[in-house]
Amino acid sequence: EPEVTQTPSHQVTQMGQEVILRCVPISNHLYFYWYRQILGQKVEFLVSFYNNEISEKSEIFDDQFSVERPDGSNFTLKIRSTKLEDSAMYFCASTWGGYEQYFGPGTRLTVT
Amino acid sequence: AQTVTQSQPEMSVQEAETVTLSCTYDTSENNYYLFWYKQPPSRQMILVIRQEAYKQQNATENRFSVNFQKAAKSFSLKISDSQLGDTAMYFCAFMRGSGGSNYKLTFGKGTLLTVNP
Repeated sequence: EPEVTQTPSHQVTQMGQEVILRCVPISNHLYFYWYRQILGQKVEFLVSFYNNEISEKSEIFDDQFSVERPDGSNFTLKIRSTKLEDSAMYFCASTWGGYEQYFGPGTRLTVT
Repeated sequence: AQTVTQSQPEMSVQEAETVTLSCTYDTSENNYYLFWYKQPPSRQMILVIRQEAYKQQNATENRFSVNFQKAAKSFSLKISDSQLGDTAMYFCAFMRGSGGSNYKLTFGKGTLLTVNP
């Protein structure tokens, strides 16, 4: 069964450094999402992406964040200058356009 | 804006028994979906069950069923014959739209369910 994959599974970085989190959505899917989950808290929407542009973004998704689909298969989330409060689990999700979003296993980002 | 509230941070149940997890939501939308997602210790988010707001019949998936009360904006999950593998965090989630929707999910804070042997 096709699945969403994410790399790396765990990323440790120093405050102020740039990180890129990578996702490979399911191949025939058209809509892509990033969510994050700070430890012990609820899952929060960051951004949705369709047709090579952002469809919707939350207030969390400020100028430090960007998304890209560089090659038709990968979907990346970049954080330009990480802060301690960016430490969280980041989930990628995709859908062909139906109601069900398929989630990846997540990348745990630790900012020290 | 939509909000989803799960008032039970933790619950436990004995294996083979039935447990009900509560969820309420607030929205001004007429068309929407409601979901229960399961997040086991592996952290992967897995869809358990969904309900379309326009459907009066409650959704059922094997041992999982929902009690959808649209007027009360309530959406509870019943797990029958609980199994050890049901131990997980359960999130209630809302998505506006209908007929295939690509909108964001809004999640509640989750209920940690522990199934005891």
